[in-house]
Amino acid sequence: ILNVEQSPQSLHVQEGDSTNFTCSFPSSNFYALHWYRWETAKSPEALFVMTLNGDEKKKGRISATLNTKEGYSYLYIKGSQPEDSATYLCAFQGQNFVFGPGTRLSVLP
Amino acid sequence: DTGVSQDPRHKITKRGQNVTFRCDPISEHNRLYWYRQTLGQGPEFLTYFQNEAQLEKSRLLSDRFSAERPKGSFSTLEIQRTEQGDSAMYLCASSRDRSKQETQYFGPGTRLLVL
Repeated sequence: ILNVEQSPQSLHVQEGDSTNFTCSFPSSNFYALHWYRWETAKSPEALFVMTLNGDEKKKGRISATLNTKEGYSYLYIKGSQPEDSATYLCAFQGQNFVFGPGTRLSVLP
Repeated sequence: DTGVSQDPRHKITKRGQNVTFRCDPISEHNRLYWYRQTLGQGPEFLTYFQNEAQLEKSRLLSDRFSAERPKGSFSTLEIQRTEQGDSAMYLCASSRDRSKQETQYFGPGTRLLVL
């Protein structure tokens, strides 16, 4: 059974703070690692997909890195805003998609 | 709107009743996935279609669950004789091609409550 873990489970930050969270996944049978943002009452929204060890992707204030050898990915948010409040999911793509439990971020104004 | 849509968005039913959910994927996407998500967990894979063929089913999908995609476009997920443990968010996603780094595009989900 593949295990994808995310930490922390939840966090609260002040507006303007930078933050990061972790996704850990099996390093074998890896094809891609996906990050999604899921706001309440909306559809999960794709943020990044990364395939190569050392990949870094950036979208505005959000960036992500990938280490396939040790099986982890970091998601960074610079200068958090209240609209960043959401659950951030990572998904390991191997033979199937396996999602982590998510990190629930609350940005307080 | 050309995204993935799901209907209904919410469903409350009594234990023992049957329910059916519908998913309309993005039109040019040939792959369609169903997931179940419960509180504190990420989406769990249930089943997957390529066009009209159901290619994989999770062990989570008991005999009471059945999914169809008769014309390779929309899909339905039926749960027979619902149980309280079936209460969850049911998510549908679609994608274009699994041989590449596919991005799955999700619908808003159907939230089921079994009383």
